[in-house]
Amino acid sequence: DGGITQSPKYLFRKEGQNVTLSCEQNLNHDAMYWYRQDPGQGLRLIYYSQIVNDFQKGDIAEGYSVSREKKESFPLTVTSAQKNPTAFYLCASSIGQGLASTDTQYFGPGTRLTVL
Amino acid sequence: AQSVTQLDSHVSVSEGTPVLLRCNYSSSYSPSLFWYVQHPNKGLQLLLKYTSAATLVKGINGFEAEFKKSETSFHLTKPSAHMSDAAEYFCVVSGLNSGGYQKVTFGTGTKLQVIP
Repeated sequence: DGGITQSPKYLFRKEGQNVTLSCEQNLNHDAMYWYRQDPGQGLRLIYYSQIVNDFQKGDIAEGYSVSREKKESFPLTVTSAQKNPTAFYLCASSIGQGLASTDTQYFGPGTRLTVL
Repeated sequence: AQSVTQLDSHVSVSEGTPVLLRCNYSSSYSPSLFWYVQHPNKGLQLLLKYTSAATLVKGINGFEAEFKKSETSFHLTKPSAHMSDAAEYFCVVSGLNSGGYQKVTFGTGTKLQVIP
């Protein structure tokens, strides 16, 4: 059963702690993305990766870090430098390397992070 | 530059009546356009996409959208609302940035309420 998995579904952390969100896909997609969703703001791009061992900052990368050591995995770390980390985080992937405007992004179920 | 505007943040319809969710876009190129649906605390699911083929696009669950270049619109419609259609809907415009890579912009979403 192909798809994108994110874990955990809910995550609670104390302020000042780093936390890593998992994203795995078995669709054999080249490109992967991380978005942040806040109420009334749509989705904002944090980081994206077009191929293994390469990634680029999105629109709101400050306070976040990523790695892409394997094609199927793209973990996101929310660091203590992120001023307002409480949000819903969505991972996505697309078959191409982000070179075509027609590429469809497929989304995982999301992780809701709450920083106490 | 590109942008997308969803004209209504909330839409309320009675079960069995038509649905209209409005979306206007702006793009320097010939864009691709998508509609996604999101149920509470879930990921985004693709409803349909336009990629410069037929201007009337049919999607899943009875939804369709018409690309109107002269009006820069891509409104989502359904002839008869079902209770299960209650969700948030996102209009998305996709083009290419100055580096030749896909640039995706999400609207801020329209919450659809279906009244029994």
